[in-house]
Amino acid sequence: EPEVTQTPSHQVTQMGQEVILRCVPISNHLYFYWYRQILGQKVEFLVSFYNNEISEKSEIFDDQFSVERPDGSNFTLKIRSTKLEDSAMYFCASSDKGPGTGELFFGEGSRLTVL
Amino acid sequence: SQKIEQNSEALNIQEGKTATLTCNYTNYSPAYLQWYRQDPGRGPVFLLLIRENEKEKRKERLKVTFDTTLKQSLFHITASQPADSATYLCAPSPRTGGGNKLTFGTGTQLKVEL
Repeated sequence: EPEVTQTPSHQVTQMGQEVILRCVPISNHLYFYWYRQILGQKVEFLVSFYNNEISEKSEIFDDQFSVERPDGSNFTLKIRSTKLEDSAMYFCASSDKGPGTGELFFGEGSRLTVL
Repeated sequence: SQKIEQNSEALNIQEGKTATLTCNYTNYSPAYLQWYRQDPGRGPVFLLLIRENEKEKRKERLKVTFDTTLKQSLFHITASQPADSATYLCAPSPRTGGGNKLTFGTGTQLKVEL
């Protein structure tokens, strides 16, 4: 069964360092998303991406965040200068239908720990 | 502002009973509503989608209702099993032109005991 894969599964970094989280969405999907979940809290939307551009972003997704689909298979989230409060689980998701009309397929997440 | 409310207290039930979870939303007019399951440390997994013109949707032991007047969805698991223990998330979906994101509620943790 097709699945969304994410790497790394866990990354530990120092405050101020740049981090890139990688995702390989399901191959025929067109809609891509990043969510994050701080330990014990809700799953929060960060950004949606369609047709090679950001379609919507949340207040959390400030200038230190960026997303890219560098080739036909990868979808990356970059955090330029990490802060302690960026420590969270980051989930990538993809869908073959527009938001809400079809299910989102989530990866297993990348746990980011900022020291 | 848009709000999605799920019971933050864990729901503990006995194996074999029916679990009922509630999702209330305000300042939304979703065309669809989705339910997901999340196990600790793992990504959410899609369970069911119900459209606004559907009152009820079933899938095996799962049943979802959608009341657009009450702005509420109920999620039922019949004949519950310990393996059903997880956090269940609801996600009212935006209408076309209403945004490009799916927003999740806080989730309700279900514990099914033997």
